[in-house]
Amino acid sequence: QVQLVQSGAEVKKPGASVKVSCKASGYTFTNYGISWVRQAPGQGLEWMGWISAYNGDTNYAQNLQGRVTMTTDTSTTTAYMELRSLRSDDTAVYYCARKPTGTPQDVWGQGTTVTVSS
Amino acid sequence: DIVMTQSPDSLAVSLGERATINCKSSQSILYSSNNKNSLAWYQQKPGQPPKLLIYWASSRQSGVPDRFSGGGSGTDFTLTISSLQAEDVAVYSCHQYYSTPHTFGQGTKLEIK
Repeated sequence: QVQLVQSGAEVKKPGASVKVSCKASGYTFTNYGISWVRQAPGQGLEWMGWISAYNGDTNYAQNLQGRVTMTTDTSTTTAYMELRSLRSDDTAVYYCARKPTGTPQDVWGQGTTVTVSS
Repeated sequence: DIVMTQSPDSLAVSLGERATINCKSSQSILYSSNNKNSLAWYQQKPGQPPKLLIYWASSRQSGVPDRFSGGGSGTDFTLTISSLQAEDVAVYSCHQYYSTPHTFGQGTKLEIK
Protein backbone atom coordinates (compact mmCIF):
# COMPACT_ATOMS: atom_id res chain seq x y z
CA GLN A 1 0.00 0.00 0.00
CA VAL A 2 1.04 3.57 -0.57
CA GLN A 3 2.83 4.83 2.51
CA LEU A 4 4.95 7.74 3.67
CA VAL A 5 6.93 7.18 6.87
CA GLN A 6 8.59 10.15 8.51
CA SER A 7 11.52 10.40 10.90
CA GLY A 8 11.06 10.85 14.63
CA ALA A 9 10.49 13.84 16.82
CA GLU A 10 13.22 16.45 17.21
CA VAL A 11 14.07 19.02 19.87
CA LYS A 12 16.29 21.86 18.72
CA LYS A 13 17.67 25.08 20.13
CA PRO A 14 16.99 28.42 18.46
CA GLY A 15 19.38 29.01 15.59
CA ALA A 16 19.93 25.30 14.91
CA SER A 17 18.83 23.30 11.86
CA VAL A 18 16.57 20.28 11.50
CA LYS A 19 16.30 17.76 8.69
CA VAL A 20 13.15 15.64 8.45
CA SER A 21 12.99 12.56 6.23
CA CYS A 22 10.00 11.01 4.49
CA LYS A 23 10.37 7.46 3.15
CA ALA A 24 7.93 6.60 0.35
CA SER A 25 6.79 3.11 -0.61
CA GLY A 26 4.05 1.40 -2.59
CA TYR A 27 4.16 3.63 -5.67
CA THR A 28 6.53 4.88 -8.37
CA PHE A 29 8.34 7.63 -6.50
CA THR A 30 9.34 9.68 -9.52
CA ASN A 31 5.77 9.91 -10.86
CA TYR A 32 4.75 12.28 -8.07
CA GLY A 33 5.92 15.30 -6.15
CA ILE A 34 6.22 15.67 -2.39
CA SER A 35 4.66 18.60 -0.55
CA TRP A 36 5.64 19.68 2.94
CA VAL A 37 2.99 21.16 5.23
CA ARG A 38 3.35 22.20 8.86
CA GLN A 39 0.90 22.78 11.69
CA ALA A 40 1.79 24.85 14.73
CA PRO A 41 0.12 23.83 18.01
CA GLY A 42 -3.60 24.54 17.85
CA GLN A 43 -3.26 26.21 14.45
CA GLY A 44 -4.23 25.49 10.87
CA LEU A 45 -2.22 23.91 8.07
CA GLU A 46 0.57 25.88 6.40
CA TRP A 47 1.96 24.90 2.99
CA MET A 48 5.76 25.07 3.05
CA GLY A 49 6.58 24.04 -0.47
CA TRP A 50 6.87 21.26 -3.01
CA ILE A 51 9.51 19.24 -4.78
CA SER A 52 9.26 17.17 -7.93
CA ALA A 53 10.65 13.70 -7.34
CA TYR A 54 11.09 13.44 -11.11
CA ASN A 55 13.56 16.28 -11.67
CA GLY A 56 14.07 18.00 -8.29
CA ASP A 57 12.26 21.21 -9.22
CA THR A 58 11.16 23.08 -6.10
CA ASN A 59 8.69 25.78 -5.15
CA TYR A 60 8.99 27.23 -1.64
CA ALA A 61 6.69 29.44 0.37
CA GLN A 62 8.05 32.96 0.24
CA ASN A 63 8.14 33.33 4.03
CA LEU A 64 10.57 30.38 4.23
CA GLN A 65 12.78 31.27 1.27
CA GLY A 66 16.42 31.13 2.26
CA ARG A 67 15.77 28.94 5.31
CA VAL A 68 14.25 25.81 3.77
CA THR A 69 15.66 23.23 1.38
CA MET A 70 13.72 20.27 0.01
CA THR A 71 15.52 17.37 -1.64
CA THR A 72 14.83 13.84 -2.78
CA ASP A 73 16.94 10.69 -3.09
CA THR A 74 15.42 8.52 -5.81
CA SER A 75 17.70 5.60 -4.97
CA THR A 76 16.07 5.29 -1.55
CA THR A 77 12.70 6.88 -2.46
CA THR A 78 13.16 9.34 0.38
CA ALA A 79 12.34 13.02 0.54
CA TYR A 80 14.00 15.45 2.92
CA MET A 81 13.10 18.86 4.30
CA GLU A 82 15.79 20.93 6.03
CA LEU A 83 14.89 24.07 7.94
CA ARG A 84 17.69 26.34 9.19
CA SER A 85 17.98 29.19 11.68
CA LEU A 86 15.16 27.73 13.74
CA ARG A 87 12.97 30.04 15.83
CA SER A 88 10.43 29.28 18.50
CA ASP A 89 7.59 29.87 16.03
CA ASP A 90 8.93 26.99 13.90
CA THR A 91 7.64 24.64 16.61
CA ALA A 92 5.10 22.51 14.77
CA VAL A 93 4.17 19.11 13.40
CA TYR A 94 5.74 18.76 9.96
CA TYR A 95 4.02 16.58 7.37
CA CYS A 96 5.14 15.28 4.02
CA ALA A 97 2.46 14.38 1.49
CA ARG A 98 2.37 12.83 -1.96
CA LYS A 99 1.45 15.41 -4.59
CA PRO A 100 0.06 14.20 -7.92
CA THR A 101 0.39 16.62 -10.83
CA GLY A 102 -2.57 18.98 -10.93
CA THR A 103 -4.44 17.54 -7.97
CA PRO A 104 -3.99 17.99 -4.23
CA GLN A 105 -1.94 16.02 -1.72
CA ASP A 106 -3.56 12.59 -1.45
CA VAL A 107 -1.41 10.51 0.93
CA TRP A 108 0.21 11.96 4.05
CA GLY A 109 2.99 10.93 6.37
CA GLN A 110 2.29 10.50 10.05
CA GLY A 111 3.92 13.80 10.95
CA THR A 112 7.13 14.77 12.75
CA THR A 113 7.03 17.01 15.80
CA VAL A 114 9.78 19.61 15.86
CA THR A 115 10.15 21.58 19.07
CA VAL A 116 12.36 24.66 19.16
CA SER A 117 13.23 25.68 22.69
CA SER A 118 16.19 27.06 24.56
CA ASP B 1 -1.51 34.93 -2.09
CA ILE B 2 -5.02 33.47 -2.27
CA VAL B 3 -6.71 33.70 1.11
CA MET B 4 -9.13 30.93 2.05
CA THR B 5 -11.72 31.89 4.68
CA GLN B 6 -13.96 29.29 6.31
CA SER B 7 -17.16 29.72 8.25
CA PRO B 8 -18.09 28.96 10.89
CA ASP B 9 -14.99 28.38 13.02
CA SER B 10 -16.89 25.72 14.95
CA LEU B 11 -20.12 23.87 14.46
CA ALA B 12 -22.21 21.53 16.62
CA VAL B 13 -24.70 19.26 14.87
CA SER B 14 -26.91 16.45 16.15
CA LEU B 15 -26.23 12.89 15.05
CA GLY B 16 -28.06 12.13 11.81
CA GLU B 17 -28.46 15.80 10.93
CA ARG B 18 -26.86 17.75 8.09
CA ALA B 19 -23.63 19.70 8.58
CA THR B 20 -22.53 22.39 6.15
CA ILE B 21 -19.17 24.15 6.17
CA ASN B 22 -18.41 27.15 3.97
CA CYS B 23 -15.17 28.26 2.32
CA LYS B 24 -14.52 31.44 0.38
CA SER B 25 -11.48 32.11 -1.79
CA SER B 26 -10.15 35.65 -2.22
CA GLN B 27 -9.98 35.16 -6.00
CA SER B 28 -11.01 32.70 -8.67
CA ILE B 29 -9.44 29.26 -8.49
CA LEU B 30 -11.00 28.01 -11.71
CA TYR B 31 -8.55 25.85 -13.69
CA SER B 32 -9.21 26.73 -17.31
CA SER B 33 -7.94 23.44 -18.75
CA ASN B 34 -10.83 21.43 -17.30
CA ASN B 35 -13.18 24.22 -16.14
CA LYS B 36 -13.03 22.91 -12.58
CA ASN B 37 -12.25 24.69 -9.34
CA SER B 38 -8.94 23.73 -7.72
CA LEU B 39 -10.51 23.26 -4.28
CA ALA B 40 -10.03 20.37 -1.89
CA TRP B 41 -11.45 19.46 1.50
CA TYR B 42 -9.50 17.65 4.21
CA GLN B 43 -10.63 15.99 7.42
CA GLN B 44 -8.25 15.91 10.38
CA LYS B 45 -8.84 14.01 13.60
CA PRO B 46 -6.75 14.68 16.73
CA GLY B 47 -3.24 13.30 16.48
CA GLN B 48 -3.71 12.25 12.86
CA PRO B 49 -2.60 13.71 9.52
CA PRO B 50 -5.17 15.28 7.22
CA LYS B 51 -7.25 12.96 5.05
CA LEU B 52 -8.31 14.01 1.56
CA LEU B 53 -12.10 13.93 1.19
CA ILE B 54 -12.93 16.04 -1.88
CA TYR B 55 -10.96 17.48 -4.81
CA TRP B 56 -11.94 19.57 -7.85
CA ALA B 57 -14.52 21.03 -5.43
CA SER B 58 -16.95 18.12 -5.85
CA SER B 59 -15.06 14.90 -6.68
CA ARG B 60 -15.06 12.43 -3.82
CA GLN B 61 -11.76 10.69 -3.07
CA SER B 62 -11.82 6.90 -3.34
CA GLY B 63 -13.14 5.29 -0.17
CA VAL B 64 -14.81 8.40 1.21
CA PRO B 65 -18.44 7.75 2.29
CA ASP B 66 -21.06 9.27 0.01
CA ARG B 67 -22.55 11.29 2.89
CA PHE B 68 -19.68 13.71 2.19
CA SER B 69 -20.24 16.03 -0.76
CA GLY B 70 -18.64 19.20 -2.05
CA GLY B 71 -20.15 21.99 -4.05
CA GLY B 72 -19.99 25.62 -4.96
CA SER B 73 -18.78 27.85 -7.75
CA GLY B 74 -16.99 31.12 -8.30
CA THR B 75 -15.31 31.88 -5.01
CA ASP B 76 -17.81 30.22 -2.65
CA PHE B 77 -17.65 26.54 -1.80
CA THR B 78 -19.31 24.14 0.63
CA LEU B 79 -18.67 20.81 2.27
CA THR B 80 -21.83 18.99 3.30
CA ILE B 81 -22.17 15.93 5.50
CA SER B 82 -25.69 14.70 4.83
CA SER B 83 -26.17 12.66 7.99
CA LEU B 84 -23.62 13.25 10.73
CA GLN B 85 -22.01 10.18 12.27
CA ALA B 86 -20.02 10.07 15.50
CA GLU B 87 -16.81 9.30 13.59
CA ASP B 88 -17.16 12.56 11.62
CA VAL B 89 -16.08 14.64 14.61
CA ALA B 90 -12.96 16.37 13.30
CA VAL B 91 -11.51 19.61 11.97
CA TYR B 92 -12.29 20.24 8.31
CA SER B 93 -10.08 22.45 6.14
CA CYS B 94 -10.49 23.73 2.62
CA HIS B 95 -7.42 24.05 0.40
CA GLN B 96 -6.71 25.70 -2.91
CA TYR B 97 -4.13 24.13 -5.22
CA TYR B 98 -4.66 26.59 -8.08
CA SER B 99 -1.58 28.72 -7.46
CA THR B 100 1.37 28.70 -5.10
CA PRO B 101 1.49 29.13 -2.21
CA HIS B 102 -1.19 26.45 -1.95
CA THR B 103 -3.14 27.90 0.95
CA PHE B 104 -5.51 26.36 3.47
CA GLY B 105 -8.52 27.72 5.31
CA GLN B 106 -8.20 28.16 9.06
CA GLY B 107 -10.27 25.04 9.75
CA THR B 108 -13.75 24.36 11.11
CA LYS B 109 -14.15 22.23 14.21
CA LEU B 110 -17.18 19.93 13.93
CA GLU B 111 -18.68 18.50 17.10
CA ILE B 112 -21.76 16.56 18.14
CA LYS B 113 -24.59 18.56 19.68
